[in-house]
Amino acid sequence: SYVLTQPPSVSVAPGQTARISCGGDNIGSKSVYWYQQKPGQAPVVVVYDDSDRPPGIPDRFSGSNSGNTATLTISRVEAGDEADYYCQVWDRSADQGVFGGGTQVSVL
Amino acid sequence: EVQLVESGGGLVKPGGSLRLSCAASGFTFRDAWMSWVRQAPGKGLEWIGRIKQKTEGATVNYAASVKGRFIISRDDSKKVVYLQMNSLKIEDTAVYYCATHYDILTGFFVADWFDPWGQGTLVTVSS
Repeated sequence: SYVLTQPPSVSVAPGQTARISCGGDNIGSKSVYWYQQKPGQAPVVVVYDDSDRPPGIPDRFSGSNSGNTATLTISRVEAGDEADYYCQVWDRSADQGVFGGGTQVSVL
Repeated sequence: EVQLVESGGGLVKPGGSLRLSCAASGFTFRDAWMSWVRQAPGKGLEWIGRIKQKTEGATVNYAASVKGRFIISRDDSKKVVYLQMNSLKIEDTAVYYCATHYDILTGFFVADWFDPWGQGTLVTVSS
C-alpha cells in the first residue's frame, strides 16, 4: 500500500515561514491535498490539486509537488495557524484514500 | 450549505457491533461519493472506506484494516450513509467522521479529496 511520510512536528516563530514535507514514492505523479485540523475540530482542506486554495483560505498557504516530496508552505505564520496538518493522496491502483501521519505546527 | 451530521457513536464491548449514521443536507446526495475517516485518540487520520453513487453501482472500497468487518451502505431516499461495524476491536476506538468529495472545479461530488466533513462521533471499544 502507498505510504506518505510527514515530520511529526514543525516549530516556527510568528511572521516566519513554515514548510511541511510529505514524502511518497513518485508523489509528484499524484495530486496532493492538505488539511488543517485544530483541536476538537474536523479537518479542513487548505490546498487541493498540489497548489490550489479553496475559497476563504489565505494566500499565505501554498503547495508544491515534485519528485518524491510534496510541500505545504505557510508564509507569515500567525498564532492561529497552530494546528495539525495532514497530506493526502488517492491511491488509484488500490482505489483508496491515503493520509500522511500528520505534522503538528507550533508557533513559538 | 452542505451539512453532514454523524450519530450512533458510543461505548461497545470488544467483539460487539455498532452502526453509525451520517445525515446529509444541502446537496444532491444521490450523486455524491461518501467516505468514512477515523481518528484514534491522539493519532492521525485513517481513511476507512468510500461508497460511490448508485449510477456507479454504489461500489464500496475499504481499507485493509476494516475489510470484512465494516460495511458501508447508503439510503438515497433518506440522504444517509451508514457504517456498520462488526467484530469491533479495542483499536477501533476513534472519532469517526463522514465526509463527501466536493470538487470545486466541476461542482460534482466525485473528487479525490474529502470536503466537507461532519463533526465526528466517538466510538469507544472497551470491556
